[in-house]
Amino acid sequence: GESVGLHLPTLSVQEGDNSIINCAYSNSASDYFIWYKQESGKGPQFIIDIRSNMDKRQGQRVTVLLNKTVKHLSLQIAATQPGDSAVYFCAENRGAQKLVFGQGTRLTINP
Amino acid sequence: SAVISQKPSRDICQRGTSLTIQCQVDSQVTMMFWYRQQPGQSLTLIATANQGSEATYESGFVIDKFPISRPNLTFSTLTVSNMSPEDSSIYLCSVVWGSSTEAFFGQGTRLTVV
Repeated sequence: GESVGLHLPTLSVQEGDNSIINCAYSNSASDYFIWYKQESGKGPQFIIDIRSNMDKRQGQRVTVLLNKTVKHLSLQIAATQPGDSAVYFCAENRGAQKLVFGQGTRLTINP
Repeated sequence: SAVISQKPSRDICQRGTSLTIQCQVDSQVTMMFWYRQQPGQSLTLIATANQGSEATYESGFVIDKFPISRPNLTFSTLTVSNMSPEDSSIYLCSVVWGSSTEAFFGQGTRLTVV
């Protein structure tokens, strides 16, 4: 069936480096995607979103890229900090604000 | 953003019993949802809580197992009925305000069934 998935379950980066987290989706009709950050013991926190009529969107230290040709989404975090350690989920809005989440990538920061 | 409060934050329950989880928002919201996050896994939508009417369940989830109430625009409950160890998960409430597309989440209820 339709799914939203991630390429890698874990990612380790050095503090100060840039992080790139990837996500593949299979529903070509999807038109809205969101990245969430989930810290231990907390609910997911909205980071950034993008609509299918855009290729790129930037926020504070984060950039989301959307490649509709290959149905691929990525989250780039610039100058990674210890506070960025968390699990990151991509999610697809399937309409009526219902979200389908990918499996998640755990990002760990090495000092 | 407004405050979303879930109670309890965690619980350990005996199999065969039921637990009701509450979600309270400090302002009126358009939509409320319940998600399940099994250990080490992603989130799965259980149902949309509809104000004043029966919830809309996703495939694989049924009202008898997960009855949901939403008596007004700021409050909802999810009951996990006749629990088994397989129900051990984090249950999360999510809300959307007005015409926004951004969904906010509560801190979750960590349920362990023994």
